[in-house]
Amino acid sequence: GENVEQHPSTLSVQEGDSAVIKCTYSDSASNYFPWYKQELGKRPQLIIDIRSNVGEKKDQRIAVTLNKTAKHFSLHITETQPEDSAVYFCAATMGGGGNKLTFGTGTQLKVEL
Amino acid sequence: GAVVSQHPSRVICKSGTSVKIECRSLDFQATTMFWYRQFPKQSLMLMATSNEGSKATYEQGVEKDKFLINHASLTLSTLTVTSAHPEDSSFYICSASGQGKAEAFFGQGTRLTVV
Repeated sequence: GENVEQHPSTLSVQEGDSAVIKCTYSDSASNYFPWYKQELGKRPQLIIDIRSNVGEKKDQRIAVTLNKTAKHFSLHITETQPEDSAVYFCAATMGGGGNKLTFGTGTQLKVEL
Repeated sequence: GAVVSQHPSRVICKSGTSVKIECRSLDFQATTMFWYRQFPKQSLMLMATSNEGSKATYEQGVEKDKFLINHASLTLSTLTVTSAHPEDSSFYICSASGQGKAEAFFGQGTRLTVV
């Protein structure tokens, strides 16, 4: 089955700096890669996703890149703000609905003033 | 995005009793629902995949007789924790996907405490 590794497990940045979280996956059949943000005690919220037919996607301060050959994808947050502090999870799936997501282990991001 | 509602958000029950958690898709038909368990400071661990009208598929190590899943309609799935014990205390979260859709939307989660 799919295996997703995520690094780093914790990340501390100064407000205004950029943050990068990296994930690798094992199953070359995976073609959908979402990123979720989870605040303490709350539900994971989809913040951005990318499909295997594109290499990069951007939404304001958030961007995701995908390298299919190397089987890794990354989340980039620019101009970080205190409200970006949360746990971020990457995931991978073969998509198409009904296919389970395999999650990474999570990254605790702390944005310091 | 789509809305998934889960309740209760918190429940405390006595050891040996059963607890039912509901997961509803409010504005779309969820052909597939997933149930996860999340321990503190850990990732989401998939427990089972539920397809409407058929038996759930459980992940390895998850007791199907203890965690009963029903997905009787396209908008509702339930998870019943039977004969709960303190080690079952956890955060349980459902997610739902529409027909042919890769995106999964999460319920708000249920904090179960077994005393």
